[in-house]
Amino acid sequence: EPEVTQTPSHQVTQMGQEVILRCVPISNHLYFYWYRQILGQKVEFLVSFYNNEISEKSEIFDDQFSVERPDGSNFTLKIRSTKLEDSAMYFCASRRFGETGELFFGEGSRLTVL
Amino acid sequence: GESVGLHLPTLSVQEGDNSIINCAYSNSASDYFIWYKQESGKGPQFIIDIRSNMDKRQGQRVTVLLNKTVKHLSLQIAATQPGDSAVYFCAEKSSGNTPLVFGKGTRLSVIA
Repeated sequence: EPEVTQTPSHQVTQMGQEVILRCVPISNHLYFYWYRQILGQKVEFLVSFYNNEISEKSEIFDDQFSVERPDGSNFTLKIRSTKLEDSAMYFCASRRFGETGELFFGEGSRLTVL
Repeated sequence: GESVGLHLPTLSVQEGDNSIINCAYSNSASDYFIWYKQESGKGPQFIIDIRSNMDKRQGQRVTVLLNKTVKHLSLQIAATQPGDSAVYFCAEKSSGNTPLVFGKGTRLSVIA
């Protein structure tokens, strides 16, 4: 069964450092997303990406965040200067179509900022 | 802003009983709803979805009910099993390439 894969599974970083989280969406999917989940809280939307550009972003996705699809398979989330409050699980998701249909999530990357 | 929320944060049920997890949503423009299951340390896993032109949809051991009049969504799990123990999230979206918005989650604990 096709799946969304994410690396690393866990990253520990110092405050102010740059972090890149990587995702390989399902190969025939066209819509890509990043969500985050602070421990014990709900899953929050960060950004959606389609046709090599951001479709929509939330208030959380400020200038410290960026996304990129550098090649035909990877989809990355970069945090330029991490803050303590960036500590969370970051989930990548993909969907074949934009309207409806199952949104497939990866297993997540746990980011711990010290 | 508009949001999706849940009535009950935790639910404990006996193995074999039926479970009902409820969700209230406030965005009247929402026309598509999904229930996700999240086990500890894992990503959300799709359970079942429903469009706003339906009021009921059944899957394997699960049923989703949608009441648009009161903006209420529920997930029914028949013959609950220990493997059903997880956090359940409802999520909604409106038409177009809009993001899925998640509710707060309900933890289901199945007592063997």
